[in-house]
Amino acid sequence: GESVGLHLPTLSVQEGDNSIINCAYSNSASDYFIWYKQESGKGPQFIIDIRSNMDKRQGQRVTVLLNKTVKHLSLQIAATQPGDSAVYFCAEIGGAQKLVFGQGTRLTINP
Amino acid sequence: GAGVSQSPRYKVAKRGQDVALRCDPISGHVSLFWYQQALGQGPEFLTYFQNEAQLDKSGLPSDRFFAERPEGSVSTLKIQRTQQEDSAVYLCASSPRMNTEAFFGQGTRLTVV
Repeated sequence: GESVGLHLPTLSVQEGDNSIINCAYSNSASDYFIWYKQESGKGPQFIIDIRSNMDKRQGQRVTVLLNKTVKHLSLQIAATQPGDSAVYFCAEIGGAQKLVFGQGTRLTINP
Repeated sequence: GAGVSQSPRYKVAKRGQDVALRCDPISGHVSLFWYQQALGQGPEFLTYFQNEAQLDKSGLPSDRFFAERPEGSVSTLKIQRTQQEDSAVYLCASSPRMNTEAFFGQGTRLTVV
């Protein structure tokens, strides 16, 4: 079945450092991936997406990398700021048109 | 409106009570999703609409859960005879078309006592 998992449940980084959040997926038919940020008491907020015909996509301070060979997705946040503290989810869409979420990684920023 | 709106934000229900949760999607968005999020977990898919058609309800945990979107806009998730295990945040999301990013509302936190 479909499943999306994360390597680490928590990540702590120093303010100003780069953060890398990883995600593994199991459905090789998935063709669209999204990273969401969720702050306490709020709904998931779209960060960046990538389709399976790409291996890298960049946004403002964020980069998503997709390795279809090993079914791995990563989110890189440059110059991490206190406002980046949140839980980050990767999600995939396959043929069923529904987003499948992983468990999430909690990112904590140390001053 | 600017985004997806859900109401109420918080709901406390006595066990056995029926509840109705409302979602106002972004205007013009074709697709609408409902998710259930337990504390410390990722959102779990419940059901999906394209316009007024419910295309997938495979995630609804029991026949006590029912969702509708009669005019292809506002959607209601109804839970009958609530149980304690129904306590969770219920998230609604909409997207302009299939296979694009979904935008989420703030969620409704349901607590069954």
